[in-house]
Amino acid sequence: ELKVEQNPLFLSMQEGKNYTIYCNYSTTSDRLYWYRQDPGKSLESLFVLLSNGAVKQEGRLMASLDTKARLSTLHITAAVHDLSATYFCAVDRSSVYTGNQFYFGTGTSLTVIP
Amino acid sequence: GAGVSQSPSNKVTEKGKDVELRCDPISGHTALYWYRQSLGQGLEFLIYFQGNSAPDKSGLPSDRFSAERTGGSVSTLTIQRTQQEDSAVYLCASSLAGGGSTEAFFGQGTRLTVV
Repeated sequence: ELKVEQNPLFLSMQEGKNYTIYCNYSTTSDRLYWYRQDPGKSLESLFVLLSNGAVKQEGRLMASLDTKARLSTLHITAAVHDLSATYFCAVDRSSVYTGNQFYFGTGTSLTVIP
Repeated sequence: GAGVSQSPSNKVTEKGKDVELRCDPISGHTALYWYRQSLGQGLEFLIYFQGNSAPDKSGLPSDRFSAERTGGSVSTLTIQRTQQEDSAVYLCASSLAGGGSTEAFFGQGTRLTVV
């Protein structure tokens, strides 16, 4: 079964600092997704990475994908309080039985301290 | 609608009762998914619909769970004789198609609490 692991599970960081969240997955996949979830809210799509070496940036967040290492990173630059949320990575596997089924990581709960 | 809509947002039910959860996908999205988010279990895939058809129901946790989709649009997830372990957030997602790099859009979820 495809497994997706994230670390750390919990991250507390001060405003202005940088940090990286790691996402490892167990089998070949060319597509990697990052989602953000605020308490009581749904999953908000942040990035869709579709090929090896893909890098995408939005504001203070930058995501990258290394399909050979089966690793994606979400880098946070100069964190601000508004980034406090839980971040999930996910890979997908397509089949006629399950469509484009997502396999999610355990999530990283990020708290940015003023 | 503009996004995936789920109802109710919150549901508290007594153990043994039946509950019905509803999902309205984005208009035109043929693929619809149900996931369950539990404490300590992460996000768990339950079922996929392409149009009104669910090719594989083996992801449903038990035979107390059933799901249907009508008119290629609204889907309902029914849990019969609810148990405390059914307490979770049930998320629905839809996408344009059921394969390839099609992005999935999630609803806000239904938080089910079985007491």
